[in-house]
Amino acid sequence: DADVTQTPRNRITKTGKRIMLECSQTKGHDRMYWYRQDPGLGLRLIYYSFDVKDINKGEISDGYSVSRQAQAKFSLSLESAIPNQTALYFCATSDPRGSPSTDTQYFGPGTRLTVL
Amino acid sequence: KQEVTQIPAALSVPEGENLVLNCSFTDSAIYNLQWFRQDPGKGLTSLLLIQSSQREQTSGRLNASLDKSSGRSTLYIAASQPGDSATYLCAASGTRFGAGTRLTVKP
Repeated sequence: DADVTQTPRNRITKTGKRIMLECSQTKGHDRMYWYRQDPGLGLRLIYYSFDVKDINKGEISDGYSVSRQAQAKFSLSLESAIPNQTALYFCATSDPRGSPSTDTQYFGPGTRLTVL
Repeated sequence: KQEVTQIPAALSVPEGENLVLNCSFTDSAIYNLQWFRQDPGKGLTSLLLIQSSQREQTSGRLNASLDKSSGRSTLYIAASQPGDSATYLCAASGTRFGAGTRLTVKP
């Protein structure tokens, strides 16, 4: 079984709908992240969480919200989806083991979201 | 704000060639530089991580270097194979990614 899973893998929705993307991990990591990937732009950080009680905005958090239900679960919500939120969304986890310089991220397979 | 750039955006080489992928960053105060591989329809897989105190890391046919003073990192792939075809991304301090270089190795 994969260490980092994302559901759904693909989703097509309409403008104005509320959407939730879910991420689960079995790696036992405290840190979790949500990114979006657009063609030609690389990955951009939406939100990150260093533990269940610590949630932080990334560079593009507008229009998104998150919930850290447990150490293993981190959900991303689009309250009212719009077409420019069409993208590939990735969840990631990491465990720095006390040193940021050794902090390696592990990624889920991604969710392809299309907003019509 | 850290900006990360990868040039070229795409690269096509014949099998067996040695090649270099480039990554540049604007803020030298990074704590690490990581290289990832992304296959179509899949997530990112970490290839090499260079800590800020290190100059290079090696894994098999891959060698990554880091020069913080010039804001550059390179990923060297020796004796390229068709299975190396993928998009390669670099990330500075974990969360600042370049747009990637799409590599095609032709048989």
